[in-house]
Amino acid sequence: SQTIHQWPATLVQPVGSPLSLECTVEGTSNPNLYWYRQAAGRGLQLLFYSVGIGQISSEVPQNLSASRPQDRQFILSSKKLLLSDSGFYLCAWSVLSREEQYFGPGTRLTVT
Amino acid sequence: AQSVTQPDIHITVSEGASLELRCNYSYGATPYLFWYVQSPGQGLQLLLKYFSGDTLVQGIKGFEAEFKRSQSSFNLRKPSVHWSDAAEYFCAVGAPVQDKLSFGAGTTVTVRA
Repeated sequence: SQTIHQWPATLVQPVGSPLSLECTVEGTSNPNLYWYRQAAGRGLQLLFYSVGIGQISSEVPQNLSASRPQDRQFILSSKKLLLSDSGFYLCAWSVLSREEQYFGPGTRLTVT
Repeated sequence: AQSVTQPDIHITVSEGASLELRCNYSYGATPYLFWYVQSPGQGLQLLLKYFSGDTLVQGIKGFEAEFKRSQSSFNLRKPSVHWSDAAEYFCAVGAPVQDKLSFGAGTTVTVRA
C-alpha cells in the first residue's frame, strides 16, 4: 500500500532562517506531488505541484521554492523565512492530476 | 478553470442529528468531485469521490454525497452525526485538462452534546 511521510512534524524557526521540509511517498511510482499551506483560520492554498522529476509548477510567487530530486521525494525550501510563512504545510500525492489526492500528516511551522 | 464554493463557513449540529454540507462547483463538463475531512492538526482524509455513474455515492464513516448536475452541486450528508465527526470538511473538484484539484474554503462542523 502507499504511504506518505512528512517531516518534521513541528518546527519553530526564527525570522530570516532557512527552511527545508521533506515529503516522501512510498509504494507508488511517478506520482504527482503537491505542497499546500493552511494559514490559521484559512483554507488550503496550493503552493507548488510536480508531475515528474525536475518539473515544478509554482502557484503563488513568494519566498518559497520546491524541488523534486527523486521520483518520490518533494522538498519545500526557503532561504529566509518571514513571519507570514507560519502555517500548516501539507504534502499530497495523486496518480493522475484530476483524481483524488492523498495527504500527509502535515508540518506545523511557527516563525518567531 | 473549475471552481468550488462551500457556502457555509461553520455549522453546528447536535449529536444524533442529521448533517448536510453544501458544495457547488463551476465547470463546463462533468467534473471529478471529492469530499475530504480534516481533524485538527491532521492531514486531509478522503471521504468519497464521484467520477461517473450512480449519482449517489457512499463513502467512509457513514457519509454519502449526491451529484446533481442541474444544480451543479455535490452535497455531503450523514443521517446521524457522532461527536467524532467534529472537523473541517473540504469539497474539491478536478477536471481532465487540469493538473490540480480546486478546493473549497471548507466548512467547520461543531457537534454539541
